[in-house]
Amino acid sequence: EVQLVQSGAEVKKPGESLKISCKGSGYSFTDYWIAWVRQMPGKGLEWMGIIHPGDSAIKYSPSFQGQVTVSADKSISTAYLQWSSLKASDTAMYYCARRLGGHWAFDYWGQGTLVTVSS
Amino acid sequence: EIVLTQSPGTLSLSPGERATLSCRASQSVSSTFLAWYQLKPGQPPRLLIYGASNKAIGIPDRFSGSGSGTDFTLTISRLEPEDFAVYYCQQYRSSLWTFGQGTKVEIK
Repeated sequence: EVQLVQSGAEVKKPGESLKISCKGSGYSFTDYWIAWVRQMPGKGLEWMGIIHPGDSAIKYSPSFQGQVTVSADKSISTAYLQWSSLKASDTAMYYCARRLGGHWAFDYWGQGTLVTVSS
Repeated sequence: EIVLTQSPGTLSLSPGERATLSCRASQSVSSTFLAWYQLKPGQPPRLLIYGASNKAIGIPDRFSGSGSGTDFTLTISRLEPEDFAVYYCQQYRSSLWTFGQGTKVEIK
């Protein structure tokens, strides 16, 4: 069974750093792109970036380029999303999702990680 | 960047009725690159349709997708109670994915 399991909810202060994770199982982790998607409170879905764990190729949305870093450790089948200096506006639910092989949609999703940034 | 505009913003319908959701792109989108998702509170998004008209695994037959160019449609033939949710279209082009702003299907 394909699963993406994300790390737990985080509460941080502005200016702090954070790295959240997404562990894949039940499939060949290095063969599928993993994307990150943001949902701010009461808002819609926003694609942030995507990584291919096999070769670490990465693409970012222009809206998020320079604001976050996407990475992966294929030895432990885990993708990451990190911030060096959080802002209150980073408060949101963050999802990882697997790109459907050979297509341009996301078929399996993590359960989401809620990040709250507040002083 | 391609902008996807979904309409209506909210659709108020009764169980058993037909739902027709629209997704319009600011530039032509290949059908191959158009997908639809369902989002319910407390759950991650669920892929319904990819390639504009292909149903994802486990998606009931009452869901169907159609369209081409700049105009795409998600149709739910007969609404079931579990179908009341928010629906998003998504497109891919030039290494970028974008979502529409969503259509909420609510119980009338």
